[in-house]
Amino acid sequence: GENVEQHPSTLSVQEGDSAVIKCTYSDSASNYFPWYKQELGKRPQLIIDIRSNVGEKKDQRIAVTLNKTAKHFSLHITETQPEDSAVYFCAASDSGGYQKVTFGTGTKLQVIP
Amino acid sequence: GEEVAQTPKHLVRGEGQKAKLYCAPIKGHSYVFWYQQVLKNEFKFLISFQNENVFDETGMPKERFSAKCLPNSPCSLEIQATKLEDSAVYFCASSQSLDNSPLHFGNGTRLTVT
Repeated sequence: GENVEQHPSTLSVQEGDSAVIKCTYSDSASNYFPWYKQELGKRPQLIIDIRSNVGEKKDQRIAVTLNKTAKHFSLHITETQPEDSAVYFCAASDSGGYQKVTFGTGTKLQVIP
Repeated sequence: GEEVAQTPKHLVRGEGQKAKLYCAPIKGHSYVFWYQQVLKNEFKFLISFQNENVFDETGMPKERFSAKCLPNSPCSLEIQATKLEDSAVYFCASSQSLDNSPLHFGNGTRLTVT
């Protein structure tokens, strides 16, 4: 089955700096890579996703890159703000007839004002 | 509805008691997923449904866990004879299709087994 590794587990940045979270996956059949943000005590919410036919996707301060050959993908947050503080999860999904989303272990991002 | 609705928000059970959690997916979503999130934040996949049919149950500890999605009723996850290690937040999520649609999560049910 799919295995998703995520690094770092914790990340502290100064407000205004950039944050980068990296994930690797094992199953070459995976073709959908969502990122979720989970604030303390709340539900995970999708912030951006990328499909395997695209190498990069950007939405305002958030961007995701995908390297299918190396089987890794990354989340980039620019101009970080205190409200970006949360736990971020990467995930990988293979369709192949059905969707099973495998999550990374999470990165706790702290943005220091 | 427009959100995945999970009830109850909190559930406390003594070890050995039964726990039952409920989930109403977003209207029009055919797929329902249950995940268990323990203290280390990791999401463990439990089971998924396509409408009322079990789609993938590879994550279910079958001896004590069961789940159903019946027509015109909320989906349910039941744990018989709870153990301390079942303490976790249980998230339900729904998606519209299998075409890599995003998962929409409910707010979770925090189960505490004492």
